[in-house]
Amino acid sequence: EVQLVESGGGLVQPGGSLRLSCIASGFTFSSYWMHWVRQAPGKGLVWVARISSDGRVTDYADSVKGRFTISRENAKNTLRLQMNSLRGEDTAVYYCARDLDPNIYWGQGTLVTVSS
Amino acid sequence: QLVLTQSPSASASLGGSVRLTCILSSGHNDYTIAWHQQQPQKGPRYLMTVNSDGSHTKGDGIPDRFSGSSSGAERYLIISSLQSEDEADYYCQTWGTAEWVFGGGTKVTVL
Repeated sequence: EVQLVESGGGLVQPGGSLRLSCIASGFTFSSYWMHWVRQAPGKGLVWVARISSDGRVTDYADSVKGRFTISRENAKNTLRLQMNSLRGEDTAVYYCARDLDPNIYWGQGTLVTVSS
Repeated sequence: QLVLTQSPSASASLGGSVRLTCILSSGHNDYTIAWHQQQPQKGPRYLMTVNSDGSHTKGDGIPDRFSGSSSGAERYLIISSLQSEDEADYYCQTWGTAEWVFGGGTKVTVL
């Protein structure tokens, strides 16, 4: 059974940093592109970042470029999102997701709240 | 620019059917899209992909009453024999050059 379990969310002050993790199981993690998607309270899904299966290619939404860094450690089946210079508008539930082949899988999400 | 447009809401009676629409922006008629369901207070769940020719491929364990079709720039999700647990938000999503693109979502109410 494919499982994606996020952790690392919490309350952080504006300008602060947080690192999210997503531990994958039930599939060959190193074979798949992975994504982070977020959802602000009461809002829709918004793509944040993606990383290639070998970690060499990364892409970011303009809203987080230069502040967030996506990475992965295939030996530990772990996806990460380092979030720096956090702003109030970064408040959201953050989901990790496995790209299609043949299915897309989602984690249950971790809540990040940026507030003083 | 790749944009997906969805109606904000839809409703249908218990046991009835509903068709949700996702419209691809001009010049992107041939794109494959995916549908995702998000029940209240839960994470998203992948339902299926829908191709430009109308063929669709469902995810693991997705009931037969969920199906997909296509017409031009429009991609559809059809839910038949509506059940109370189908009351949820439904998002379409596609693959841009280097990103995922989501529609704004449609909230389905089961009457």
